[in-house]
This record gives sequence, structure tokens and C-alpha cells, in this order.
Amino acid sequence: QVQLQESGPGLVKPSETLSLTCAVSGGSIGSYYWSWIRQPPGKGLEWIGYVYYSTNTNYNPSLKSRVTMSVETSKNQFSLNLTSVTAADTAVYYCARGNSIYHFPSNYYYMDVWGKGTTVTVSS
Amino acid sequence: DIQMTQSPSSLSASVGDRVTITCRASQSSGNYLNWYQQKTGRAPKLLIYSASTLQSGVPSRFSGSGSGTDFTLTISSLQPEDFATYYCQQSYYLPWTFGQGTRVEI
Repeated sequence: QVQLQESGPGLVKPSETLSLTCAVSGGSIGSYYWSWIRQPPGKGLEWIGYVYYSTNTNYNPSLKSRVTMSVETSKNQFSLNLTSVTAADTAVYYCARGNSIYHFPSNYYYMDVWGKGTTVTVSS
Repeated sequence: DIQMTQSPSSLSASVGDRVTITCRASQSSGNYLNWYQQKTGRAPKLLIYSASTLQSGVPSRFSGSGSGTDFTLTISSLQPEDFATYYCQQSYYLPWTFGQGTRVEI
């Protein structure tokens, strides 16, 4: 049973960098689309992006200039860096495993395993 | 970005009711549509992927249908544990986008 666990500071100052790690247990990091999603207080879900096979990344254009994601295969974890944060980046941050299944003629993508989430507050 | 619009935004229902939630995409998304359930203070949980495939372990009272721009999530007989917020999500175009959520309450 694969499990994900986010970790990182709960409080970040404005203009600084938010750094989170997601530890993968119960399975190898393998060939999945390791994703980050966030949810501001009382609001809906926003997909931040994913990292695939350490070098293939896709980011939400709304955050692309500030986001970096990476995989550390040896530690079975992946990470998120978000620079120049403001109060608008205050949210619960979730990591998730993006999976795919082939139904001719296409691959279908979905997020099937989620971490419990970690709350990040941006405040001085 | 593909805009996903869910309706209604919230609904009141009773145990045993049949509940239907709709999701409309601003552009055709094929069958690349997933549904998630989120309970208060918890992470989302995958219910259905590729529009109609039930995720392993999800009760059969949940079903999904649709293709293109119009999709439906149906709960055939609402149970107490089903009171939650439901989100649709398209994975046909990047960036992946979610609907605004439908809150199902008593």
C-alpha cells in the first residue's frame, strides 16, 4: 500500500521560498507523475504541476515562473520549491501520485494516491 | 486553460436519495475526466477515472458517465458517509484543472 507524507515548514515569510518534500513509502518512486496540488482556505483545488522520471516536468502556467519540482530517487521522495511567496500562496499543499492506464488508443491520467496534506501559511 | 463548471455548487439530500452532480468542460475533454471525494479536513480521494471506471475499493453506488464536454457523477443511494464535497478534474489538457466542487449536505 503506497503512502505519501508531506513535510516542510508550516510558516514562510513573504518573498521567501516555500520548500516541501513528499516521502513515498510502500513502493518505489518509479514511473509515475508525482504531483503537487494546493487548496487555499475554504476554496477549491489547484493543480501546481508534476515531475515524471526526474527530468520531465509540467507546471501550471499560473505558477510556472516560481515553481521547481524534482525527484530524489535514492531517497524515494520528491519535492516542491515555490519562490517569492505572498499571502495568496497560503494553502494546504497535497502531494499525489499521478497514474495512467492505457485504453486504446490513449493513456488516461488520474491521481490515485494522496498525502494527508500540510498547511503552509505565508506571513511575516 | 480548460474551465470545469460543476452544478449545483451545493445540494441538500437525505440518506437513501439518488444524487446527481454534473460537470461541464469549456472544451471537449474526451473521456479524460476524474471524480474525487473530499471530506472536511481530509485529502481528496479518487472515486472514478476515465469518466466511468470505478477506482478499486469504491462502492458500486457511485457511477460516472459522459464524454466530450458533459459528465455526470451519480450516487444511487446516498449513505451517511457520502456527505462530502465532490470535485471533477480533467486530464486531457495541461494544466490539469478541477471544477469548483459540489458540497453534498444533509
